[in-house]
Amino acid sequence: GAVVSQHPSWVICKSGTSVKIECRSLDFQATTMFWYRQFPKQSLMLMATSNEGSKATYEQGVEKDKFLINHASLTLSTLTVTSAHPEDSSFYICGCSRDRIQGGQFFGPGTRLTVL
Amino acid sequence: AQKVTQAQTEISVVEKEDVTLDCVYETRDTTYYLFWYKQPPSGELVFLIRRNSFDEQNEISGRYSWNFQKSTSSFNFTITASQVVDSAVYFCALSKGAGKSTFGDGTTLTVKP
Repeated sequence: GAVVSQHPSWVICKSGTSVKIECRSLDFQATTMFWYRQFPKQSLMLMATSNEGSKATYEQGVEKDKFLINHASLTLSTLTVTSAHPEDSSFYICGCSRDRIQGGQFFGPGTRLTVL
Repeated sequence: AQKVTQAQTEISVVEKEDVTLDCVYETRDTTYYLFWYKQPPSGELVFLIRRNSFDEQNEISGRYSWNFQKSTSSFNFTITASQVVDSAVYFCALSKGAGKSTFGDGTTLTVKP
């Protein structure tokens, strides 16, 4: 159990376009979903935390108007990178927490975004 | 504030050697969770272990073992008889309940045949 999927697994887009990344918890309900980005050879940096039906909480320095997060249900969250630029090229990973009491997240396989 | 330090940036060993990856954490919380994840070249994070702050028992899972010591705020990870397939980046992480996780910078392990 505790399988998380992300779609697409990779995407290449032109500068100025918007890209939507989906994160789904396949066999459990995720009370909270997290979005991380990871630059090459670096650690995961949390971008935002979202709970179903409420607005996402963004980390300091993350532009909420650029990285739109929608948490439509307990099994689906989407991250939209609006007006993408080459500096947005990165590996985006979602994490899903299924237990309000115990810690830990289950991660999706990640989405590699390349903006030309 | 929470912090996780993985002092070893890169480790290189020869197959069948034992290797220990260090993790030191900082937190003011009395209840917290510690994790280890493996990230192979494909990029997907693979969950290895979760340990809560009240459980200091060491754990062994096959060739993997973990040593949790609250007194030194460390949660070290040992791979016994390493194999080439163990080559990956390993992350130690800390979280408070179901909240966000703080990751260390990762240790890149290379196991040579």
